[in-house]
Amino acid sequence: KQEVTQIPAALSVPEGENLVLNCSFTDSAIYNLQWFRQDPGKGLTSLLLIQSSQREQTSGRLNASLDKSSGRSTLYIAASQPGDSATYLCAVRPEGNTPLVFGKGTRLSVIA
Amino acid sequence: ETGVTQSPTHLIKTRGQQVTLRCSSQSGHNTVSWYQQALGQGPQFIFQYYREEENGRGNFPPRFSGLQFPNYSSELNVNALELDDSALYLCASSFIARPNTEAFFGQGTRLTVV
Repeated sequence: KQEVTQIPAALSVPEGENLVLNCSFTDSAIYNLQWFRQDPGKGLTSLLLIQSSQREQTSGRLNASLDKSSGRSTLYIAASQPGDSATYLCAVRPEGNTPLVFGKGTRLSVIA
Repeated sequence: ETGVTQSPTHLIKTRGQQVTLRCSSQSGHNTVSWYQQALGQGPQFIFQYYREEENGRGNFPPRFSGLQFPNYSSELNVNALELDDSALYLCASSFIARPNTEAFFGQGTRLTVV
C-alpha cells in the first residue's frame, strides 16, 4: 500500500529565502506525482505534475524534482514571498487512472 | 481558477441526517473523484465515477454513495451522518484517457455535523 510522507509538517521562513519541501513515498512504482497548494479552508490548486519518466518540472519560482528509485520528491521555492504562505500537498498516482494518494502536507509561513 | 465547481460551500447538518453535495467537472473531463479531508490531514479517496458508474472506491462505508450524470457532473450522498463525517469534501475532475495530465479540484464543501 502506497504511503506518502511530508516533512516538515510546518515551516516558517523570512521573506526572500529559498526553501525546499520534501515528499517521500514508500512504493517507487508510481505513474506520476503532483504538487498542490491549499489555502486555509479552500480547495487544491495544482502547481506541478511530474510524470514517472521525468526528473523535474519548473513553473516560475517553483521547481519540483523526482527521484523514483529513492522514493523522493522535492519542491523548491525560490525567493519566497508572504503570498506563498499556504499548505503544500504532495500526491502520487500509483498507476494510470488510480486515485491520488496524498501526504498530510507542509504548512508554510513566509514572514515579511 | 479551475473549471470545477462545488456546491454548497458550507453546510451544517445534524447527526443522523442525510446530505447531498454537488460537483460540476471541468469542460472536457469525463471522470470525477471525491475526496474527504479531515482537519490537518491529507485528502482521502472516497470513490471515482466514469461513464455514470463507480469505477473505484476507497475505504468508506456504503452510506457514502454517489452519482454521475450524462453531463459528467456528480453528486456525493452521505446517509446517517456521524460526527466524524465533519470534513472538507473535495471533488476532482480528470480525463480518463489522459492519466498523465493534472487533476483539477474544486473549492470544496465544508460539512459540519453537530
